[in-house]
Order: sequence, then C-alpha cells, then structure tokens
Amino acid sequence: DQQVKQNSPSLSVQEGRISILNCDYTNSMFDYFLWYKKYPAEGPTFLISISSIKDKNEDGRFTVFLNKSAKHLSLHIVPSQPGDSAVYFCAASGSGSGNTGKLIFGQGTTLQVKP
Amino acid sequence: DTEVTQTPKHLVMGMTNKKSLKCEQHMGHRAMYWYKQKAKKPPELMFVYSYEKLSINESVPSRFSPECPNSSLLNLHLHALQPEDSALYLCASSWSGTGGDYGYTFGSGTRLTVV
Repeated sequence: DQQVKQNSPSLSVQEGRISILNCDYTNSMFDYFLWYKKYPAEGPTFLISISSIKDKNEDGRFTVFLNKSAKHLSLHIVPSQPGDSAVYFCAASGSGSGNTGKLIFGQGTTLQVKP
Repeated sequence: DTEVTQTPKHLVMGMTNKKSLKCEQHMGHRAMYWYKQKAKKPPELMFVYSYEKLSINESVPSRFSPECPNSSLLNLHLHALQPEDSALYLCASSWSGTGGDYGYTFGSGTRLTVV
C-alpha cells in the first residue's frame, strides 16, 4: 500500500518556464510534508516543507501548495533552471507514520530542464 | 554545524568481510536514522534511534547491525552481506520523532558495493 504517490515518473520543461511536480497521499494523519531533490549517488537535499496547518509555503523560486481535502500537494519551480534537473521526492511524516520521525517517500519524479 | 557527515563515501567489500559505516551530527538532534536507497527508488527506512535507543527496526536482516554509541554518532556494522545489498546507505537525523518541523537532515551517503 503506497501511502505517498508521485504518479509522474518524469517531467521535461523549458528553461525559464514553470515546473509543477505533483504528489498525492492517502493517510489523513500525515501532518508534515517535505520535498527533496536528489542527484545521482548523493543524499537527498531538503528543498522545502509545509505543515498541515498551512496551504502554501514559499522559498525563493520554490513554492509548495497543500490541498488537504484532496490529499494533494504540488511543488512549483519558477523560473526553472537547467541546474534544477534532478529527481524530486515528496515525503510525508507525522502521526500518519506513527510519530516516529519516519519519512514515507513517493517514488520520485525526474525533472529535466532543457536550456 | 548543520550537516550530517557519513564515512566512507564509497566502500567495496567482499561477502565474507566485516565493515562499518559511520554517521555523525552535531546539531543536537536526538533521532537518527539509517535508510537504504537503490537506484531510481526512494529511500527505504532501515532503523530509527530515538534518544540513543533503537525504536524501529524495519525487519532488517541481522547481517546489518546498528549501533548508537552517543547522541552524535550512529554506526551500521556490516557482516556477510550479499551482492543485492549493494546500494546507497543514507544516514539522517532530526529533532525528535514527533510531529511538526523535524529539521530532518540527510547525509550524502555511503555507496556500498558487495562483490
């Protein structure tokens, strides 16, 4: 049972345009969501997070939107840059993972930003 | 210091060898984690230590043995591994295992190859 889903394995956008990465979850007990960026053979790098008490969090070019009723969150990158090309993982935590700190990851979306 | 440091970065070991992976953080985090990541897959939780006590073992084979000597250090002892254990092993730390902003931080990982 996959509790966090990223249904798009890959996404390709032109430099300067918006990238939108989507994530769905099934467990309503999750109360904290994170996005990570990962390059091959490296550990995940934290990008941005959002608590379930908010519906939007912005940090520079990155904005995360949370729709609790739809159990959906999205990451917007504007403007997209070639250096953003990487695998992006959505992760969830909170009482939905037993309040253990355990992160439940989606399968990842590979973003390619073309110059 | 806002980093999780993992050593070594790369490790090649035979199936009869004994080796150890090391992880260190000085952020005052009281929860530490081992994750395993195969290529193009999300990280999978192996172990959670909370306040230096093992709180979660995700049914990991006994050839992997975690150890938390103190609140800043986490080791993973390896013995009699199989080639299918080859993966990127990630250490992470966070403030605690409760909901909210964990301050979750990943190390850059140890790339393990079992021959």
